[in-house]
Amino acid sequence: TQLLEQSPQFLSIQEGENLTVYCNSSSVFSSLQWYRQEPGEGPVLLVTVVTGGEVKKLKRLTFQFGDARKDSSLHITAAQPGDTGLYLCAGKTGANNLFFGTGTRLTVIP
Amino acid sequence: DAGITQSPRHKVTETGTPVTLRCHQTENHRYMYWYRQDPGHGLRLIHYSYGVKDTDKGEVSDGYSVSRSKTEDFLLTLESATSSQTSVYFCAISAGAGISGYTFGSGTRLTVV
Repeated sequence: TQLLEQSPQFLSIQEGENLTVYCNSSSVFSSLQWYRQEPGEGPVLLVTVVTGGEVKKLKRLTFQFGDARKDSSLHITAAQPGDTGLYLCAGKTGANNLFFGTGTRLTVIP
Repeated sequence: DAGITQSPRHKVTETGTPVTLRCHQTENHRYMYWYRQDPGHGLRLIHYSYGVKDTDKGEVSDGYSVSRSKTEDFLLTLESATSSQTSVYFCAISAGAGISGYTFGSGTRLTVV
């Protein structure tokens, strides 16, 4: 089993603040994905990172893949209430299957 | 939205009864997956399929079986439901291997009493 640990588990911040959530593993992944899940729905893909050190930006969200391809971070600038949700990282090894972290539950307070 | 639907959305069943959950896709994707999501455990892979009649076990496959007789349908069966199988079940599809992302259904909340 590929263990992906996410931190923090819970995060509650005020609108407009910045935040970073982390995804760490002892395993090397060929690619890593980030998903956001809202209550009562399935996860929705935000981004895929493939190359060690890669940085991708999606509006106010910045994703980084660690140089060794074992970890990743998600930084949100000027958080908004619409960013509220469960953020999941998921890594792929040689096979096609994704292994998911336990998630960071983010609440942005207006 | 991607064409993936799960049925039923909610189900309550008694211990010891068989239960079948259905996942239907209209995307003609090759890969289909069943996950369960539980507090503290995240999403865990139960079974997956890489083509019609081609399936394999995931990390938590005990007590579950699957079938895929058509590209568009992937069925998950709990042969004899137990309380430990109370969970939210998600189906996902993927176009292929490599960096393809998954598209998830909206989930089935199963309660075994």
